Amino acid sequence: DTEVTQTPKHLVMGMTNKKSLKCEQHMGHRAMYWYKQKAKKPPELMFVYSYEKLSINESVPSRFSPECPNSSLLNLHLHALQPEDSALYLCASSQVFFAGSRYGYTFGSGTRLTVV
Amino acid sequence: DQQVKQNSPSLSVQEGRISILNCDYTNSMFDYFLWYKKYPAEGPTFLISISSIKDKNEDGRFTVFLNKSAKHLSLHIVPSQPGDSAVYFCAASSSSNTGKLIFGQGTTLQVKP
Repeated sequence: DTEVTQTPKHLVMGMTNKKSLKCEQHMGHRAMYWYKQKAKKPPELMFVYSYEKLSINESVPSRFSPECPNSSLLNLHLHALQPEDSALYLCASSQVFFAGSRYGYTFGSGTRLTVV
Repeated sequence: DQQVKQNSPSLSVQEGRISILNCDYTNSMFDYFLWYKKYPAEGPTFLISISSIKDKNEDGRFTVFLNKSAKHLSLHIVPSQPGDSAVYFCAASSSSNTGKLIFGQGTTLQVKP
């Protein structure tokens, strides 16, 4: 298995809703990432988990709450989002954190989030 | 402040010819550079990387060139194929700054049959 699987592929949510994005990999990777990508913009790092511990939080608003229940799963809990949070949310993994910046991450296909 | 820049939003090339995608960076502490390819509705796919101690890395039809003095790198695709049509992202990282990847804005490559 050489994939990162993200669910759901599309999500529409209201500003008062609570929803979660899910990411799963079975490659034995110990670093997992959340990226946000707006249209015609580069992916922007949100969070990094290394060995199931939060290593980097890029000053992301608290309405985004990451969780890493085990080495294969990464969740992003969403609450009270704003329309400007609408974007493609990408999950990625790498063998270990520094390996990702050398040899590349494996990205999932993303969740297209629309906040109404 | 955009530390990694891809100044050409798009590039169109005839099948069989060479595609050259360019990337400039401002942070002299970057020591690894990567190229990703992205198709619509898919996540980015890692293509090729280069360390700052090298000036060239080749993998099949893909070659990345690094000019540290000019803070410039380029991706050459030879020969270009219609299946290469995608968005290409340049990315860079610095060992001294947690190693996280900084992406450029992307260049859309269209290879015409």
